[in-house]
Amino acid sequence: GENVEQHPSTLSVQEGDSAVIKCTYSDSASNYFPWYKQELGKRPQLIIDIRSNVGEKKDQRIAVTLNKTAKHFSLHITETQPEDSAVYFCAASLSGGYQKVTFGIGTKLQVIP
Amino acid sequence: DAGVIQSPRHEVTEMGQEVTLRCKPISGHDYLFWYRQTMMRGLELLIYFNNNVPIDDSGMPEDRFSAKMPNASFSTLKIQPSEPRDSAVYFCASSFREGYTFGSGTRLTVV
Repeated sequence: GENVEQHPSTLSVQEGDSAVIKCTYSDSASNYFPWYKQELGKRPQLIIDIRSNVGEKKDQRIAVTLNKTAKHFSLHITETQPEDSAVYFCAASLSGGYQKVTFGIGTKLQVIP
Repeated sequence: DAGVIQSPRHEVTEMGQEVTLRCKPISGHDYLFWYRQTMMRGLELLIYFNNNVPIDDSGMPEDRFSAKMPNASFSTLKIQPSEPRDSAVYFCASSFREGYTFGSGTRLTVV
């Protein structure tokens, strides 16, 4: 089955700096890559996603990049703010996202004011 | 829409007792997923349903775990008998076409 590796497991940045979280996946057939944000004690929530036919996608301060050849995708957060502090999960899916999704272990991001 | 609704929010039970977790998916969503979240293992998929039919239960840790979806608006995850290592947050999620919507989770503590 699919295996998603995520790093780093923890990341501390100063407010205003950028943060980058990286993931790799094992199954070259995976075609949908969502990212979820989970604040302390809350549910994971979808923040951005990318499909395998797209190399990059942006939404305000967040962006995702995908390298299909290397089976690697990343989340970039610019101009970080304290409210960005949370656990971020990457994920991969074989079927467009509405079927089985395999999650990475998560990255705890701390933005220091 | 009220989103995915899970109950109870918190459950504390004694080892050996039966535990039932409940989930109401978003109306119209045809996929329902049960995940378990722990610090050590992250988000693990236990089982998922499509149109009320179980599709993949390979993540169910052992026979003590069972899940049902009797209709499109209700699912249960049962643990019998419960053990301390079952302590975790259990999330239900539903989807239609793409992107999961998670419920608020049930924090289970087995003492």
